[in-house]
Amino acid sequence: DVKVTQSSRYLVKRTGEKVFLECVQDMDHENMFWYRQDPGLGLRLIYFSYDVKMKEKGDIPEGYSVSREKKERFSLILESASTNQTSMYLCASRHRDTPAGGYTFGSGTRLTVV
Amino acid sequence: AQSVTQLDSQVPVFEEAPVELRCNYSSSVSVYLFWYVQYPNQGLQLLLKYLSGSTLVKGINGFEAEFNKSQTSFHLRKPSVHISDTAEYFCASTDSWGKLQFGAGTQVVVTP
Repeated sequence: DVKVTQSSRYLVKRTGEKVFLECVQDMDHENMFWYRQDPGLGLRLIYFSYDVKMKEKGDIPEGYSVSREKKERFSLILESASTNQTSMYLCASRHRDTPAGGYTFGSGTRLTVV
Repeated sequence: AQSVTQLDSQVPVFEEAPVELRCNYSSSVSVYLFWYVQYPNQGLQLLLKYLSGSTLVKGINGFEAEFNKSQTSFHLRKPSVHISDTAEYFCASTDSWGKLQFGAGTQVVVTP
């Protein structure tokens, strides 16, 4: 069964910490995405990557960066965590030849910044 | 630019009753439209999608949706819900680059 795995289900970090959220997929997908999910706002795109070492800003990139050194791994980095980054973070991937959907989502990481 | 609007934030419904979740989209180009479901403490699962062709799309778990170009709508329906349909439902569309844009979500609460 194909999978997108997010390394942590729950995470609690302190304000000002550098935080890494990891996402790994085993489907050889070129495209990977990071979303954050907040009540009443749905899912908003933070960053995405079309392929290894490529990255593009999404709709809300402020306060975040990403790393894609290997095809299977896409990391979201909070350089200095703040309380307004408390949220659910979802990773997704898809094959580049299936632009019409074809997304596979991870189960999410619920991050609390205190 | 494209956007997706879900008209109801929460929909309470009794078991075995029908349910309709409303979604409107705006776009100046052709779009692909999707409905996703998120069960408690889980990731997103695709219910159905409209790419082209027949405007009535059937998905998993007895759900269906109708694409209406003149009303720019893509409403989701199920004729008889179960307790297990309690979840959050998201309408989404993709742009020409294939990036998913989501609505705010509709929480469906099914009670006996």
